Formats: sequence, C-alpha cells, structure tokens
Amino acid sequence: QSVLTQPPSASGTPGQRVTISCSGSSSNIGSNNVYWYQQFPGTAPKLLIYRNNQRPSGVPDRFSGSKSGTSASLAISGLRSEDEADYHCAAWDDSLSGRVFGGGTKLTVL
Amino acid sequence: QVQLQESGPGLVKPSQTLSLTCAVSGGSVSSGSYYWTWIRQPAGKGLEWIGRIYTSGSTDYNPSLKSRVTISVDTSKNQFSLKLSSVTAADTAVYYCARENWGLGYWGQGTLVTVSS
Repeated sequence: QSVLTQPPSASGTPGQRVTISCSGSSSNIGSNNVYWYQQFPGTAPKLLIYRNNQRPSGVPDRFSGSKSGTSASLAISGLRSEDEADYHCAAWDDSLSGRVFGGGTKLTVL
Repeated sequence: QVQLQESGPGLVKPSQTLSLTCAVSGGSVSSGSYYWTWIRQPAGKGLEWIGRIYTSGSTDYNPSLKSRVTISVDTSKNQFSLKLSSVTAADTAVYYCARENWGLGYWGQGTLVTVSS
C-alpha cells in the first residue's frame, strides 16, 4: 500500500480535460511540495510538475498541478493520444523522513 | 546534459547482497546542491524510494529498507552506488538511479534485478 493514494486508472477522449488526484496527509502533502511524473511503458519516469504547480522546461502548458490541504491534482487539458501513460505523484514525508509515492494512475485515451 | 547509467548483476541469489552502480556524465557527483537517489519499481507496481545521498555525503533511507541499504559516492569515478543486503524475491524490481534538485529531473534508463536461486 502506497502512502499517497491515487486512483488506479483514469480515462478521457481526445480534447477533453482530465484530472488525476493524489491524497496524502499532514506529514507529506500537507506540509511539503508535490511532484508529478509521467511514465511510458518500459521507460524511466519523467518529471512533469515540481513544487506543486511548476513545469520544467519543455513540458506543455496543457499539464498543470495544484495542491489544497492534504490533496493534490494533476490536470491535463486538450487530451492527446500521446498522453496515454502512467502518472505518479510524490512528496516528502516528515514522519517517515523519506520520499513517498502514490501507486500510480494509468491514463487511457479513448 | 546530465546522463545517468545503472550497471550491475541482473540476477542475485536470495540472502545475498544486491550491488548497483550509477555512472554520471555531464555533471559531477561532488558539486552542486543535488541528491543522488535510488528508486525501484516491481513489475506492474508503483515507484518505491530507496534512499539518497547528498553532495555533502549525508544520506536518507527509506525506513522500511534502512537496515539493509547503503548508498555511497565514489568521486574519483563520478558515480554512486547502492548496496541492498539479505535480498529476497520481494526485492525483484527495475532499479533506477536519479538526480534530485527540485524533483527527480534526471533518471537512468533502469536495470532489472531479479532475485532467484
């Protein structure tokens, strides 16, 4: 069981806006930055969002992150077929003194 | 451009020690404000943070693995290493090395380690 909770799957049609949630607690999301990673099958994850809502250079502005209390969300607008991937959230946990991840969400573009 | 490359045995026997190395190019493991990190992913499952070492040499480990994990840096070879002792089948996974600043921005391609007799 992962410390952060994500839905195992999400889906949407091309052009649609989808959101993926990440739920934690006061010791992780509630008091630390949230990060999001995109992972295609057989490849290493790629940093998508850092410090809750910042995009690294090269990440399209269709991807956005937000945080409220002990939960965070990743939103993808203008969904494209190439967005079909696994998405992982992560945060530092003060109680565990370690980084924790969500279980990952598999996004399907219908 | 920073590049990371994992290397090590792909098969380890139960109760033995798993040893992996991450070679870094395009940057130095001994400079900058970076954490050099190990993460693993069992087949079909999520990511698990193993631990990290700072450029100063300080370390943080996953509490669930702390008693079995050692992460170290070899500045002469510009690489860092992972040792995980007393492995079992549950340690079978793809192991990634990564560099962390604001997020894990650079990753190796990953290496599959299978624990089996």
